[in-house]
Amino acid sequence: DGGITQSPKYLFRKEGQNVTLSCEQNLNHDAMYWYRQDPGQGLRLIYYSQIVNDFQKGDIAEGYSVSREKKESFPLTVTSAQKNPTAFYLCASSDDRGFSQPQHFGDGTRLSIL
Amino acid sequence: AQKVTQAQTEISVVEKEDVTLDCVYETRDTTYYLFWYKQPPSGELVFLIRRNSFDEQNEISGRYSWNFQKSTSSFNFTITASQVVDSAVYFCALRVPGDYKLSFGAGTTVTVRA
Repeated sequence: DGGITQSPKYLFRKEGQNVTLSCEQNLNHDAMYWYRQDPGQGLRLIYYSQIVNDFQKGDIAEGYSVSREKKESFPLTVTSAQKNPTAFYLCASSDDRGFSQPQHFGDGTRLSIL
Repeated sequence: AQKVTQAQTEISVVEKEDVTLDCVYETRDTTYYLFWYKQPPSGELVFLIRRNSFDEQNEISGRYSWNFQKSTSSFNFTITASQVVDSAVYFCALRVPGDYKLSFGAGTTVTVRA
């Protein structure tokens, strides 16, 4: 089955620790995205990548980093510089032949502070 | 800048009632796409529908229907004869050319009681 796999489903971070969220897709999509979801709010874009070895900051990139070494994979690192990391993180991908294509989402990772 | 407003935070209905979710958007672009997504308790966002700015035809898909009106910048969503499985958070989103993110509304939580 084609889709987007995020792991882990739940993650706990200690003070001063970096943690990495995994996102893998087998949809052969060029574009991938990371969004953050806080209670009662819509999703906000953290980073996006249109092609391998290239990525761009979204609206709330501070305290986060990404890499895109393979087409299928777009891991997100939440660094210790992100002072309020507790949120639900969603990875998405799209066939970006144009802005009309819908983005398809994974199941999400819920990150909490220990 | 793009903005999407979903004024209804929560809606609670009894099974078989109809429910309409409001979505109002703002953009200076004349070309854009609007989307609706469903987020069940499992967390994954499920794509429901896409509509471009030049197509004001209403659409019906099973128990779901969408009413797009450019004159009022609205793209409302109706669930007819609601079922318990319709309980979820529903998001309206907007995308314009050159902008890689989806601009999301805050979401409307729909609870359908048996």
